[in-house]
Amino acid sequence: QLVLTQTPSASASLGASVKLTCTLGSGHSSNVIVWHQQQPQKGPRYLMKLNSDGSHIKGDGIPDRFSGSSSGAERYLTISSLQSEDEADYYCQTWGPGILVFGGGTKLTVL
Amino acid sequence: QVQLVESGGGVVQPGRSLRLSCAASGFSFSSYTFHWVRQAPGKGLEWVGVMSNDGYTKYYADSVRGRFTVSRDNFKSTLSLQMDSLRAEDTAVYYCARQIERAVWVIDFWGQGTLVTVSS
Repeated sequence: QLVLTQTPSASASLGASVKLTCTLGSGHSSNVIVWHQQQPQKGPRYLMKLNSDGSHIKGDGIPDRFSGSSSGAERYLTISSLQSEDEADYYCQTWGPGILVFGGGTKLTVL
Repeated sequence: QVQLVESGGGVVQPGRSLRLSCAASGFSFSSYTFHWVRQAPGKGLEWVGVMSNDGYTKYYADSVRGRFTVSRDNFKSTLSLQMDSLRAEDTAVYYCARQIERAVWVIDFWGQGTLVTVSS
């Protein structure tokens, strides 16, 4: 089944780093995923497309502080040097034949 | 610059219809596939449906299939979502979103959304 699992919440201190995880369901460990950011009261924003080998393509204007990596069925979003504006919901997204799927999202709190 | 602007949201009674629009600018609209995605209050993102650049290919989520219809006008650079037989659970912010390239369902740009409230 094509599902994406994310931890509901995460927190880290200003200036620190955080690694968010998105786990692909059984049988889909080679899927490409996409990371999106949604700041409070705003529409989502594309961050990056992340391949199973960890290579990624970021959207225009996305800071170097944002990076992606992969290991098996897990896809990661690492944010370094956390800033207050990084406090947001982060969603992963993938697709299969005739369907697009989102993870449940991770709410990141910057302390 | 690239822009997607949704409109048409509002309050509607259960069982009634509503039509949303998404006006695109700043890029070649007819070259792209587009999706509708919704977000219920306080909840996560839920995919609604997709239409290919030429309008021939459409897919829908199980929750809306048979009630919602995606269409587009490439001359007017506009995407539409016709929503019929609305239910309370359709209450959400509806976003239109651009797909980065054909056959690769990566969303690379989002609109700001329009709120639909289904209530008597």
